[in-house]
Amino acid sequence: DQQVKQNSPSLSVQEGRISILNCDYTNSMFDYFLWYKKYPAEGPTFLISISSIKDKNEDGRFTVFLNKSAKHLSLHIVPSQPGDSAVYFCAARDSGAGSYQLTFGKGTKLSVIP
Amino acid sequence: NAGVTQTPKFQVLKTGQSMTLQCAQDMNHNSMYWYRQDPGMGLRLIYYSASEGTTDKGEVPNGYNVSRLNKREFSLRLESAAPSQTSVYFCASSEQGALYEQYFGPGTRLTVT
Repeated sequence: DQQVKQNSPSLSVQEGRISILNCDYTNSMFDYFLWYKKYPAEGPTFLISISSIKDKNEDGRFTVFLNKSAKHLSLHIVPSQPGDSAVYFCAARDSGAGSYQLTFGKGTKLSVIP
Repeated sequence: NAGVTQTPKFQVLKTGQSMTLQCAQDMNHNSMYWYRQDPGMGLRLIYYSASEGTTDKGEVPNGYNVSRLNKREFSLRLESAAPSQTSVYFCASSEQGALYEQYFGPGTRLTVT
């Protein structure tokens, strides 16, 4: 059973517009959430994170929103740039399983069209 | 400062062969991890090492063994490779635990025929 779901395998956005990537989770023990970006033939790189005690975290063009009651988080990229084209993974930490394991979603491939 | 390095980048094995994937980090991190990524799937944790001298199973440990050789190095061994182990393997490290950013290596693409 998938505990972290990214239901959109792909997303296309025009350059300069907003990109919104969504992530749903089922495990109420998740207390920390992260977004990673991955280019082809490279390892994932950390983008932004949010603790379950917050509902928003911003870092430059990237903002993550957390809705705990809906078990939903989203990553907003504004404005989108062609260099943002990559696969984005949502990940979550289970506070009950120990502090070292992350559960990843399957990823959403973002294409930013110039 | 190379970050996390992995060798080899590519490997083809026959069923039943063994091999060791090497990983090293130069960031003085305490925790290290091995993940696999299959097509259309997220990353799944195979094993992790919270600190030097300790290793623990992750989500998909069967068919693998690990060694935390020292603080810098964490190797993953396939004793008898199976086609189901065809995957891209990523090593990662973090200061301590999953609350800290994990830095990933470039990956090893393994094919088992």
